[in-house]
Amino acid sequence: NAGVTQTPKFQVLKTGQSMTLQCAQDMNHEYMSWYRQDPGMGLRLIHYSVGAGITDQGEVPNGYNVSRSTTEDFPLRLLSAAPSQTSVYFCASSNPAGTSGGRETQYFGPGTRLLVL
Amino acid sequence: DAKTTQPPSMDCAEGRAANLPCNHSTISGNEYVYWYRQIHSQGPQYIIHGLKNNETNEMASLIITEDRKSSTLILPHATLRDTAVYYCIVRVSGTYKYIFGTGTRLKVLA
Repeated sequence: NAGVTQTPKFQVLKTGQSMTLQCAQDMNHEYMSWYRQDPGMGLRLIHYSVGAGITDQGEVPNGYNVSRSTTEDFPLRLLSAAPSQTSVYFCASSNPAGTSGGRETQYFGPGTRLLVL
Repeated sequence: DAKTTQPPSMDCAEGRAANLPCNHSTISGNEYVYWYRQIHSQGPQYIIHGLKNNETNEMASLIITEDRKSSTLILPHATLRDTAVYYCIVRVSGTYKYIFGTGTRLKVLA
């Protein structure tokens, strides 16, 4: 298994440009999520999905869109890039054991480093 | 929403036990506590999780206080490869929102 893969590894954008960060997993996980990590900070949840066709907002959803048309893929779209979106973006997946918590383990991808000029 | 607080940094001598504390005083009764670590700028790696009882696996032990307001991650024999940022995380009850704290930067010294 490749686990969680993310593309691209690094991207430079100009303010106002749009782009899509790709995330794919081959573990048949129901749950997928996107986080951003700013320099010296912890991870903050952007959006997450509990299955195909189901998405929800995390802590910092503004400026980002997501969709989940398949179990494997969970792309993150930046609609109009801003310098404040310069960050490292991590995608993660897991098979949650239910909303009461449980034995799920989140597997993280290697990250996409985004620089917005 | 439950949040966590951790000391920003700690040092530990190689071969000694590393004890990393976490405060989660607002945690509710059915919220689990998870620990992950991040080495350099890689994606975080799962270590252990627990609800009420102490837990142990091949990587670490997790001690949760009886009132569940704090916990301690124990790396029994720290090595240089354990140098990383360690995150104590809670999942908001009834949701799939994971709240990362600021993490503790552990430096294992030779």
